[in-house]
Amino acid sequence: AQKVTQAQTEISVVEKEDVTLDCVYETRDTTYYLFWYKQPPSGELVFLIRRNSFDEQNEISGRYSWNFQKSTSSFNFTITASQVVDSAVYFCALSVINNAGNMLTFGGGTRLMVKP
Amino acid sequence: DAMVIQNPRYQVTQFGKPVTLSCSQTLNHNVMYWYQQKSSQAPKLLFHYYDKDFNNEADTPDNFQSRRPNTSFCFLDIRSPGLGDAAMYLCATSREWTGVSYEQYFGPGTRLTVT
Repeated sequence: AQKVTQAQTEISVVEKEDVTLDCVYETRDTTYYLFWYKQPPSGELVFLIRRNSFDEQNEISGRYSWNFQKSTSSFNFTITASQVVDSAVYFCALSVINNAGNMLTFGGGTRLMVKP
Repeated sequence: DAMVIQNPRYQVTQFGKPVTLSCSQTLNHNVMYWYQQKSSQAPKLLFHYYDKDFNNEADTPDNFQSRRPNTSFCFLDIRSPGLGDAAMYLCATSREWTGVSYEQYFGPGTRLTVT
C-alpha cells in the first residue's frame, strides 16, 4: 500500500519569504510517480509537477523548485520569494501502476498562507 | 484552451432527492475520475472510467453511480443524498496509462449542499 505524509498542516509566512513544504512517501514499488498539486480557494486542483522514481534531478520552474531524495523518500517543494497569490492548499501525491490502474494517493495537504 | 468543465459549480439539493453532476472535457483523455472532497481533507477517489470500463473503489457507497455516454462526458449520480454527502465533487481526466503514470487534470469542482 502507498502512503503520503505532509506533516505540516498549515504554514504562515510573510510575503517575500522562502517556504518549503515537506512530503514524505511510502511505497514498495520501485517504479512510482510523485506529483504536486495546488488548490487555491476557488477549489480547482492545479497540476504543478510530475516526477518519476528514476529521475532524481531537482527541478526549478520560476520561483518553484522541487527536491526529490529517494534516500529519505522525500519530495519537498520550495517557493522562493513567496507572494500572496501563492496562498493555497498544496497536495503531494504518489502513483504506482498496477492492475487497479493509475490511482493517486494524496497526502493530507498543507495550507499555505502568505501575508502581505 | 483544452479543459475540464464541471456544471453546475454550486448545487443545492434536498435530503433524499436525486441529483446529477456533470463533467465534460476537451482534452480527449481516455480516463475520467470522480473525487469527493470534504472540508480540510484530501480528495477521495469514488470511481474512474478507463475508456468505457467502469471501476468502482471498494468503499464507494452504492448511493453513488456514474455514467459515461461518450469520451467527452461523465456524470455523477447521487441517488439519495444524505447530509454526509455534502462536499466538493471533483472531476479529473488523464491520458491512459501504458507503463507511465500521467498527471490528472481537474475541473473546478461542484460544491454540493444537502438541506
